[in-house]
Order: sequence, then structure tokens, then C-alpha cells
Amino acid sequence: EVQLVESGGGLVKPGGSLRLSCAASGFTFSTYNMNWVRQAPGKGLEWVSSISSSSTYIYYADSVKGRFTISRDNAKNSLFLQMNSLRAEDTSVYYCVRGQGPSFWGQGTLVTVSS
Amino acid sequence: DIQMTQSPSSLSASVGDRVTITCRASQGIGNDLGWYQQKPGKAPKRLIYAASSLQSGVPSRFSGSGSGTEFTLTISSLQPEDFATYYCLQHNSYPWTFGQGTKVEIK
Repeated sequence: EVQLVESGGGLVKPGGSLRLSCAASGFTFSTYNMNWVRQAPGKGLEWVSSISSSSTYIYYADSVKGRFTISRDNAKNSLFLQMNSLRAEDTSVYYCVRGQGPSFWGQGTLVTVSS
Repeated sequence: DIQMTQSPSSLSASVGDRVTITCRASQGIGNDLGWYQQKPGKAPKRLIYAASSLQSGVPSRFSGSGSGTEFTLTISSLQPEDFATYYCLQHNSYPWTFGQGTKVEIK
């Protein structure tokens, strides 16, 4: 069974940092591109970042470029999102999503940026 | 960036109704489009991939069509469990972009 389990969310002050993790199981993680997508409370979906299977290609939304860093550890079947200089508008549920044509989503982890 | 214009933003329908949701891309995306269903408090679930292919396990009342710039999701006979919000997503080029969402409510 495919599973994606996000962790690392929480409450952080503006300007602070958080590192999200996504533990993958039930599929060959190292062969899939992976992505982060977020959803602000009561709002629509927003693509955040993507990383290719071997980390060769990395892409970011303009809204997070220079502040967020995506990475992965294929040996540990894990995806990460390092989030720095957090802003109130980064408050969202962050989803870990599998695939170039994104097929499977984790349950999400809530990040709240507030003083 | 490719803009995805989804319509309507909401609709009210009855069980058994046929429902159609449309997404228009600001430039051609081939068939690099998926449709997703999201229920409150839950993660999105893919219904359709490559514009018209039904995801395994998804009921056959869901169908997708289109290519290039015009895409449609159709629910042939709306069921109680279909009341949710639906999104399209283009993954043809970065940044990926979602439609604004369509909330399907009970009439």
C-alpha cells in the first residue's frame, strides 16, 4: 500500500524556520519525481516545489523561491522541505505528492506562521 | 505561466444529475491535465489523469475529455458521495497551476 506521511508542521513566528519531512512507503521511491503542494485555510491548491527522482532537476514557485529548499534522501525514502524566512501567507496545509503527473497525496501537515 | 480558468466556481445539483466542469488553459498543454476531488479535511484524490484516463478504483460515472486548451470533467449521474470540491491541474510546464476549484453542493 502506497503511503506518504508528512511531519514537521507546527506554529512558528514570522521570520522563523521549519523543516517538513515526508516518509514514503509501498513503492519504489527512488524512481518517482516528488512534489510539495500547499493549501491555505479555506483556499485552493498551490504548487510549491518539485524534485526529480535523482535530484537533478528542482523547481520552485516564485512565492517561495529563495526561501524554501526541497531535497530528498532516496536511501531513506524521504522527501524534505526546508522553509526559511516564513511569512504569514505561508500558513497552509502542506501536502507531499508523488509523481510527475501527480497521483498520490499524503494527508498533509499544517504550518501556521503567526506571532 | 499557464493560467487555468475553471468554471463554474460552484454549482448546486441533485442526486442523479449530470454535472460538467470545465477548465481552460491559457496556452496549449497537450493532455497534461488531471482532475482531483477533495472532501473537507481530506487530501485531494486523483480521478482522471492524462485528461481522459480514469484512475484505477474511481467509478465509471466520472469521465474526462479534451486536449490542448479545453478540458471537461463530467459526472454522469451525481451520487451523494460526490459532493465535494473539484480541481484541475496542468503539469505540462512549471510552475504547475491549478484551477480555482468547483464546489459541488446539494440542491
